[in-house]
Amino acid sequence: DAGVIQSPRHEVTEMGQEVTLRCKPISGHDYLFWYRQTMMRGLELLIYFNNNVPIDDSGMPEDRFSAKMPNASFSTLKIQPSEPRDSAVYFCASSPPNRGNGYTFGSGTRLTVV
Amino acid sequence: KQEVTQIPAALSVPEGENLVLNCSFTDSAIYNLQWFRQDPGKGLTSLLLIQSSQREQTSGRLNASLDKSSGRSTLYIAASQPGDSATYLCAVQGAQKLVFGQGTRLTINP
Repeated sequence: DAGVIQSPRHEVTEMGQEVTLRCKPISGHDYLFWYRQTMMRGLELLIYFNNNVPIDDSGMPEDRFSAKMPNASFSTLKIQPSEPRDSAVYFCASSPPNRGNGYTFGSGTRLTVV
Repeated sequence: KQEVTQIPAALSVPEGENLVLNCSFTDSAIYNLQWFRQDPGKGLTSLLLIQSSQREQTSGRLNASLDKSSGRSTLYIAASQPGDSATYLCAVQGAQKLVFGQGTRLTINP
């Protein structure tokens, strides 16, 4: 398995632009998570899905953030409009149905909003 | 709300030493605890996963222990090498949520 695949690896955008981050989870994993990592706050859970359904989005910072999972093999995290304080590394992770088997993380997307 | 604390925040030791990284958590109702390694500018690599019913796990020079009742875990690294330099993150899994500590930045000096 190729693991959790995220794209793009790096994104530089201007303030006010729309940004879309993409994630392909490991096949057979039915949980998908989006995390954000910053120096100040560390790793924070933004939202997670189970069987393509959003279960907990309490970590989504504002209405400018939205996430979708249209099928079991694809998820997006969208920021519209983007702001400089959104600059961070965004990680996607997936885990199998048997809770307790741990999470696998993607390589992350480093977002810079100028 | 689960809170995870890692001590120390940074550690620098000479090559060859054995060392211990500490992790504590406030809510003992966990499914498992996972230790990750993160190299600068890179993603998270899972090192060890300890199920809530287990006391420890070993992989090569790494040994992780779990004491759920006291809310503590340790990561023991034997015979440290410069390649072990990285940030080590402890994460506890509750009801599908993985909560992370702030990490310990480890530097092994040749």
